[in-house]
Amino acid sequence: LAKTTQPISMDSYEGQEVNITCSHNNIATNDYITWYQQFPSQGPRFIIQGYKTKVTNEVASLFIPADRKSSTLSLPRVSLSDTAVYYCRDNYGQNFVFGPGTRLSVLP
Amino acid sequence: DTGVSQDPRHKITKRGQNVTFRCDPISEHNRLYWYRQTLGQGPEFLTYFQNEAQLEKSRLLSDRFSAERPKGSFSTLEIQRTEQGDSAMYLCASSPVVGAYEQYFGPGTRLTVT
Repeated sequence: LAKTTQPISMDSYEGQEVNITCSHNNIATNDYITWYQQFPSQGPRFIIQGYKTKVTNEVASLFIPADRKSSTLSLPRVSLSDTAVYYCRDNYGQNFVFGPGTRLSVLP
Repeated sequence: DTGVSQDPRHKITKRGQNVTFRCDPISEHNRLYWYRQTLGQGPEFLTYFQNEAQLEKSRLLSDRFSAERPKGSFSTLEIQRTEQGDSAMYLCASSPVVGAYEQYFGPGTRLTVT
């Protein structure tokens, strides 16, 4: 049973900002929120992690509200190469669960 | 370091045969994880090691599956008496103990059971 909920798919156009929101209804006090990107026939790649407020790196930003019941991955100015599946997760005990992810399609 | 490596990348076997996969983690990482992924689904956790100790196993890991990490470095995942339902991508990941939320994945081994 996945602990997180996120949209199954999203479409965007090149150059747009994309925001993918995940629900973390069962997040525990000590859990961190992480996001991964996966291309076909490859293993997932870590993008970003956070505990609360906002985190930014060279790839994305992660917004986590005070109640930590959701998180939003923001990808600025997407390109065709950002077409992939994006997974959010939070660590529940030591079971590292992935949900079905969000399939992002970037169109020209 | 070139990251997590897995061998073989592809394996085709007949039902009932045994198969073994190998994973070499990033050298300084203490934790090693195995996942299974089928088409259109997210990775499913199978088991993980901290050094040579196997700390947790998913109920998905039936008695036909066994994993080892004998010296705390590379790991093997063996599937005995393979079934068609075992066809999947088997992913290995590693992480340091500190910052274990960030996992580094290998390219996976794609198993096809005919």
